[in-house]
Amino acid sequence: KQEVTQIPAALSVPEGENLVLNCSFTDSAIYNLQWFRQDPGKGLTSLLLIQSSQREQTSGRLNASLDKSSGRSTLYIAASQPGDSATYLCAVISTGGGNKLTFGTGTQLKVEL
Amino acid sequence: DAGVTQSPTHLIKTRGQQVTLRCSPKSGHDTVSWYQQALGQGPQFIFQYYEEEERQRGNFPDRFSGHQFPNYSSELNVNALLLGDSALYLCASSGTSGGLTQYFGPGTRLLVL
Repeated sequence: KQEVTQIPAALSVPEGENLVLNCSFTDSAIYNLQWFRQDPGKGLTSLLLIQSSQREQTSGRLNASLDKSSGRSTLYIAASQPGDSATYLCAVISTGGGNKLTFGTGTQLKVEL
Repeated sequence: DAGVTQSPTHLIKTRGQQVTLRCSPKSGHDTVSWYQQALGQGPQFIFQYYEEEERQRGNFPDRFSGHQFPNYSSELNVNALLLGDSALYLCASSGTSGGLTQYFGPGTRLLVL
């Protein structure tokens, strides 16, 4: 059974800092890994999707990497801003698991002025 | 192009009642998945519908049932509500044109008293 873990559970940083969020998964047989952002009480916004054959994806100040063999992914946020404050969730689609996402519990990020 | 829409946005029910939540997928998508997100947790997969049939199901009791209509919209029904059913219910759609990428709606917040 696939399990996804995210560390840390919460993070508070001053504006302008570069930061890394971690995600690990127990079964390396995945189709892809997706990072989402969730604002309080809201739905999920997809940030980046990495196919199993890829090593990283970039979008603006965000860069996500994937090391499938070790079951790890990181989300790098450059020059953080208060507007980046949200919960960040990673999720995987496992091979043989259909098209369902298995989520971690998220990292709650606060970027302070 | 409208994204995934869900209704209602909020709902309050009492224990033992029944509830129906609705979802309209993103234009061009034919697959709808439902997730339950308890407070402080990551979303948990409930089930997925494709071509009006339940294609995959997570670890949820039979009190949770669904339906997909010919226009690909979907309903989630929960019978005999329990306090523990209080959560944010998220709908996600995907389609063959977009591969396995899932797009989420804003969710329905259900409170069971």
